[in-house]
Amino acid sequence: GAGVSQTPSNKVTEKGKYVELRCDPISGHTALYWYRQSLGQGPEFLIYFQGTGAADDSGLPNDRFFAVRPEGSVSTLKIQRTERGDSAVYLCASSSTSGYTGELFFGEGSRLTVL
Amino acid sequence: GENVEQHPSTLSVQEGDSAVIKCTYSDSASNYFPWYKQELGKGPQLIIDIRSNVGEKKDQRIAVTLNKTAKHFSLHITETQPEDSAVYFCAALGYNTDKLIFGTGTRLQVFP
Repeated sequence: GAGVSQTPSNKVTEKGKYVELRCDPISGHTALYWYRQSLGQGPEFLIYFQGTGAADDSGLPNDRFFAVRPEGSVSTLKIQRTERGDSAVYLCASSSTSGYTGELFFGEGSRLTVL
Repeated sequence: GENVEQHPSTLSVQEGDSAVIKCTYSDSASNYFPWYKQELGKGPQLIIDIRSNVGEKKDQRIAVTLNKTAKHFSLHITETQPEDSAVYFCAALGYNTDKLIFGTGTRLQVFP
């Protein structure tokens, strides 16, 4: 597709379960970002990939959160032992260059609800 | 680290009027300031941006101004239309980083 694709669009899970959220960036985009958006708030930075490596993971809230991008394209955000406070919309964005030179293109997000 | 404050949180205007949204940032080394528009159920979309070497930028009905001394920047929308109704976010990019710090958003409603 032409834009950033995120799956699933909605995920409902129970507290303590494991969740994976997938992001398929725009073809050829080397930079990929994960943000988290809570209700009524702006997106909050989680992690940034340049190619396959995580260039900045300072936004990951704790070690229950992990993200990978093994082939430099699709990325997966993994959340272990989910908590109710993890409920939010998880946004993925990609860019043809790094953030300070290129526009970020966001997907529509994955809405995670932890019961 | 960088902190971005945005106001107002909600803004209602009549169609054809102007709308102004203001943001302040804390890191004087920040050098890139984009504005994003987010419609319900969608991801944010870039509408305009400005870099620290420029004081003002305009694109049709949208303009952004930057005051580096005061560390604030503003979005101006003229001749508002109902389709401008959305949540608008400002953001700032710190020097030599790759993470945008977003404001808390402004819900703009344009009434016909």
